Amino acid sequence: GAVVSQHPSWVICKSGTSVKIECRSLDFQATTMFWYRQFPKQSLMLMATSNEGSKATYEQGVEKDKFLINHASLTLSTLTVTSAHPEDSSFYICSARTSGWADGEQYFGPGTRLTVT
Amino acid sequence: EDQVTQSPEALRLQEGESSSLNCSYTVSGLRGLFWYRQDPGKGPEFLFTLYSAGEEKEKERLKATLTKKESFLHITAPKPEDSATYLCAVLSYNTDKLIFGTGTRLQVFP
Repeated sequence: GAVVSQHPSWVICKSGTSVKIECRSLDFQATTMFWYRQFPKQSLMLMATSNEGSKATYEQGVEKDKFLINHASLTLSTLTVTSAHPEDSSFYICSARTSGWADGEQYFGPGTRLTVT
Repeated sequence: EDQVTQSPEALRLQEGESSSLNCSYTVSGLRGLFWYRQDPGKGPEFLFTLYSAGEEKEKERLKATLTKKESFLHITAPKPEDSATYLCAVLSYNTDKLIFGTGTRLQVFP
């Protein structure tokens, strides 16, 4: 299967600071990337969808000025949490897919645990 | 509105005790149904995609089936390493995004 990596795997930051999470597709070119967050014992909640070279499409209720997404190349997308607060602490997971794959098939990264103190 | 419901929420099995996990869905035009396995602190791992009623797929001890209203993930003679949360997701013609269920937490004891 296709491999998606994330960096860092965990990060602790102070309230009010910003943190950037990277998502890379290692062995394919990702035309579309997705960012999810997951709270303990809950399912994945889609935050935004991004296509390479285009602005991200955010889900209802997700603040686009707070969660900045950049999909600058076919192998890299970044999520920047700006002015982080303790309520932003969560598990953030990216996924990616490419054209030509079976309809809807997408692969997930290992996730990034963000703790805001 | 597209919806996915998984049951049971949690399942405890003895090693070797076969069982099934259920995923019921309501969707306006199913493009695909997906099963993932998620270990604690990790991202989901792709298992299967099913596209039409009657379709079945197998991988080792797992077998996924699909009807017009639900999907089953059958686990035959499970081992402790099968312990994980199993997530079901659907993709509809209405939206271009996966809708996830809340998952079934499976624990297999030796």
